[in-house]
Amino acid sequence: EIVMTQSPATLSVSPGERATLSCRASQSVSKLAWYQQKPGQAPRLLIYGASTRATGIPARFSGSGSGTEFTLTISSLQSEDFAVYYCQHYNNWPLTFGGGTKVEIK
Amino acid sequence: EVQVLESGGGLVQPGESLRLSCAASGFTFSSYAMSWVRQAPGKGLEWVSGISGSGGNTYYADSVKGRFTISRDNSENTLYLQMNSLRAEDTAVYYCAKHPTGHWCFDLWGRGTLVTVSS
Repeated sequence: EIVMTQSPATLSVSPGERATLSCRASQSVSKLAWYQQKPGQAPRLLIYGASTRATGIPARFSGSGSGTEFTLTISSLQSEDFAVYYCQHYNNWPLTFGGGTKVEIK
Repeated sequence: EVQVLESGGGLVQPGESLRLSCAASGFTFSSYAMSWVRQAPGKGLEWVSGISGSGGNTYYADSVKGRFTISRDNSENTLYLQMNSLRAEDTAVYYCAKHPTGHWCFDLWGRGTLVTVSS
């Protein structure tokens, strides 16, 4: 099983600032997705294939990385971006998620 | 509208069974693989089980293998999860999720249904 580790667990950011979230895989993966989840809501797909934005996702969200190290960048945080973010690999079975990064208002 | 809607959650005792359903609409259900993903209260996401569009291939997390069975009825546009021998650690919100073509990520999620296993 590929273990996904996200850091930091909590990120305090002011509106308008850049947020950088990290995701590390225990072995090399080529297929990685990012999700956003707000309280009481289902997750929403942001990024797939490590760097491709899903339909309707604003350009301020970008994904990068390869191998075992991946990054989700939110270029200028808006009020609606404060949420929990998860990475997920889909290289093989079982599919696994990272533990999440909570982005909170500083 | 493209959506999936889960049902069937509830309170059960340890060792009992429950069947979850997920009704899909707004897309060609049989063309897409589907999965169940769960989230324990206050915790992160855990993939539980997946199934190919035809239903011919199924996949399970080790934590549920041998106890849970995923299936689908493409004539009824419905996904199922039969859960047997339930344990307290199965308590979670269970989400039905759709996979986009060619990727085993999740591009459509339901609102979830809560399963509570407690005596």
